[in-house]
Amino acid sequence: AQTVTQSQPEMSVQEAETVTLSCTYDTSESDYYLFWYKQPPSRQMILVIRQEAYKQQNATENRFSVNFQKAAKSFSLKISDSQLGDAAMYFCAYRSAYQGGSEKLVFGKGTKLTVNP
Amino acid sequence: ETGVTQTPRHLVMGMTNKKSLKCEQHLGHNAMYWYKQSAKKPLELMFVYSLEERVENNSVPSRFSPECPNSSHLFLHLHTLQPEDSALYLCASSQDWRQHYGYTFGSGTRLTVV
Repeated sequence: AQTVTQSQPEMSVQEAETVTLSCTYDTSESDYYLFWYKQPPSRQMILVIRQEAYKQQNATENRFSVNFQKAAKSFSLKISDSQLGDAAMYFCAYRSAYQGGSEKLVFGKGTKLTVNP
Repeated sequence: ETGVTQTPRHLVMGMTNKKSLKCEQHLGHNAMYWYKQSAKKPLELMFVYSLEERVENNSVPSRFSPECPNSSHLFLHLHTLQPEDSALYLCASSQDWRQHYGYTFGSGTRLTVV
């Protein structure tokens, strides 16, 4: 079974600075999808960024980018120019790409990000 | 409006009570999900429905009973719960349960069992 590990329960960053959140995963599959979700105090999980494992290019969405290292099974999230509104729990998630495999999202335990003014 | 609406937002119930959680989506999605979020644990998938048919049930105790009357509505019926069932229950939807574009989540129901 696939597992997702987020080794940093909490992180903090100064406003306007850059922070990187770590995520590693364990899988024997070669084709899959990786996600970062953000959960602010409103509790709604919001998709931040998505990466397809067969693409070597790292995904980017405005101030959010990932460093996808397939061989190392690492998928870190970089937040540039951090804003107060970025404060939230961040969850890394994995999903198999194989039909007939487990189509569910497997989540890590999350990293709580604090942004200091 | 987020697209996925969950009610109630908070619920406190005794162990002998029967209550229901409701989830509604107006995104035209065909798949809906229930997740349980407990403190310091990864989100746990409970149930998956595709076009009102249950396609996955992750060994959830029978005191949790899902119902999907149509592709826009999903319920979680609760009865004789235990204090360890206290958690945030999140509903999500996706275009199709086999697609890979991520889910749209609701804001959850914070359940406390006393």
